[in-house]
Parts: sequence; C-alpha cells; structure tokens
Amino acid sequence: QQQVKQSPQSLIVQKGGISIINCAYENTAFDYFPWYQQFPGKGPALLIAIRPDVSEKKEGRFTISFNKSAKQFSLHIMDSQPGDSATYFCAASGGGTSYGKLTFGQGTILTVHP
Amino acid sequence: DAGVTQSPTHLIKTRGQQVTLRCSPKSGHDTVSWYQQALGQGPQFIFQYYEEEERQRGNFPDRFSGHQFPNYSSELNVNALLLGDSALYLCASSLGTRLAVDNEQFFGPGTRLTVL
Repeated sequence: QQQVKQSPQSLIVQKGGISIINCAYENTAFDYFPWYQQFPGKGPALLIAIRPDVSEKKEGRFTISFNKSAKQFSLHIMDSQPGDSATYFCAASGGGTSYGKLTFGQGTILTVHP
Repeated sequence: DAGVTQSPTHLIKTRGQQVTLRCSPKSGHDTVSWYQQALGQGPQFIFQYYEEEERQRGNFPDRFSGHQFPNYSSELNVNALLLGDSALYLCASSLGTRLAVDNEQFFGPGTRLTVL
C-alpha cells in the first residue's frame, strides 16, 4: 500500500533556477515529514524536516511547504546548483506505535545543468 | 563523531544462502531501523529495534530477522535468499524512548547485496 506519492520522477533545472518536488500522503496520522538527499552509492542524508503545526520551514536554500488540509508537502530548492544533482526522497512517519517507521516516496532524480 | 556504519559494503550470495549484515548506530543513539532499497525505488521499512527487542515490523516475511546487542549495534539476517532480495540494505539510527522515537533518523551508507 503506497501511502506517499512523489512527483515528478525526474527533474532537469538550469543552474540558478528553482527546483520543486511534490509529495502527497494518505495517512492522516503522519506527523513528521522529512526530505532526504541521496547521492549514488551513498545512504540517504536528512536534508530538512517539518511537522504539521507549521506551514513552511526554511533552511538555507531549502524550503518545505506544508498543506495539511490537502495532505501535500513540497520541497523547494532555490538557486539550484550542479552539486544539488541527486535523488530526493520525501518521507512521512508518526501515529502511535508507528513512530520511527518512515514511509518513503518513490524518489525524484534532480539534474542541475551548469 | 562517528556516524552510522555498516558492514560489509558489498556482498554477493547465491539463491538459498543466508546472509548477515551489521550496523553500528550513531554515537548516542539507541534505536536501529533497517530498510531495503531496491534499484530506483525508495527505501522500504523492514523492522526497528529498541532495547534489544523488535518494536515494529514492515511487510517482510519471516526470512528477515534481526538482533540488537547491548551496545545498540544490530544485525539483519536473511535466510533462503531469493533473487528479489538483491537490494541496498540501509540501517538508520535514532534516539528512542519507551513510548516513541525521536523521528530524526540518520542513515548509514548501506550494504549492497547481490543474489545470483
């Protein structure tokens, strides 16, 4: 059962542009929404995370926007750089004994052209 | 501060064999979760260990089992390997309590398992 849907599957952006990746979830018990960045041959690295009590969180060039009523959240990468080229995963967890069980989206392959 | 470490880096096995993967959590963390990541997919939750017990489990068969040691390190065992078990196996560590776990999880580099 897929509970987190991520789009697009791949994204090509020019250097300096804005990269936007979207995720939608089904389980209303989720209360923690992280984004992970993964380079080839490496494990996922936590990028930024948000809880549903806020609608937006910004850390440097990375911003999460959260829409609780629509059950959607998105990652915005401002001033995208070639070094940002990686696979990005959204995830969600929460709800009683399910704390710590991350449910991941399918991933978005981001390519930033110089 | 050492992050999450996993061994071995790569492993090649044949169908029907058994495999053991190892994980050492980030310093100060006491909870270990295991994930399977097939090529081109997001990680799938296998199970989580806290206080040396399996606290919760994903939709994986009993061929997948684990263990957590008093020093919080963990092992993942897979019996009767199938071709479909070929994947990157990721370990993630976090800080837990009896009732919940701090959601922030840190992943290791993974073990690439190939089943021939």
